[in-house]
Amino acid sequence: EAGVTQSPTHLIKTRGQQATLRCSPISGHTSVYWYQQALGLGLQFLLWYDEGEERNRGNFPPRFSGRQFPNYSSELNVNALELEDSALYLCASSLKTGKTVAFFGQGTRLTVV
Amino acid sequence: AQKVTQAQTEISVVEKEDVTLDCVYETRDTTYYLFWYKQPPSGELVFLIRRNSFDEQNEISGRYSWNFQKSTSSFNFTITASQVVDSAVYFCALSEANEGTYKYIFGTGTRLKVLA
Repeated sequence: EAGVTQSPTHLIKTRGQQATLRCSPISGHTSVYWYQQALGLGLQFLLWYDEGEERNRGNFPPRFSGRQFPNYSSELNVNALELEDSALYLCASSLKTGKTVAFFGQGTRLTVV
Repeated sequence: AQKVTQAQTEISVVEKEDVTLDCVYETRDTTYYLFWYKQPPSGELVFLIRRNSFDEQNEISGRYSWNFQKSTSSFNFTITASQVVDSAVYFCALSEANEGTYKYIFGTGTRLKVLA
């Protein structure tokens, strides 16, 4: 069974541009989570989607947004990129939040130059 | 408020030594779940174990063991006879059982370096 897949693996953008990151959850999982992991730091919660709806978001500015599609895959969009947005963006999926294990993808490394 | 504290930022051991990674959590809920994940240099977080708040039995899986103590709100992870391949960042996480609200809180991670 395929795990959580993220694309692209690496992304290089210029400050001010927009970045789009994609995530395909494990089959049957309805919840998708996005985290930002800046170099050497822990995981900062960005967004949680379940059943197509944004359920919660972390302490990030509105230029971080996303959506979840009917097939439960998800996109994370980062507008007006800043140098500090350079990080590893991790996506995870689970059956139901809380009770079940969240499985992670390999991440997208975003570099803003 | 929920919180997970991993006070050890980085630990270095020599191969074959035992090492314990500490995790202390805070929650007001009586039902919750605790997790450990491993993040190798490749970046992907690998799930290691889940524990629910009603099960305080310690668990052993090969060289890995976990000590869950509600009295001290701790969920520590021990690697016996460490190997170089164990080198990674290890994250402890807390989740509540309530559906409808986001509840995966991660600690800041402990970087483990196992030296040959």
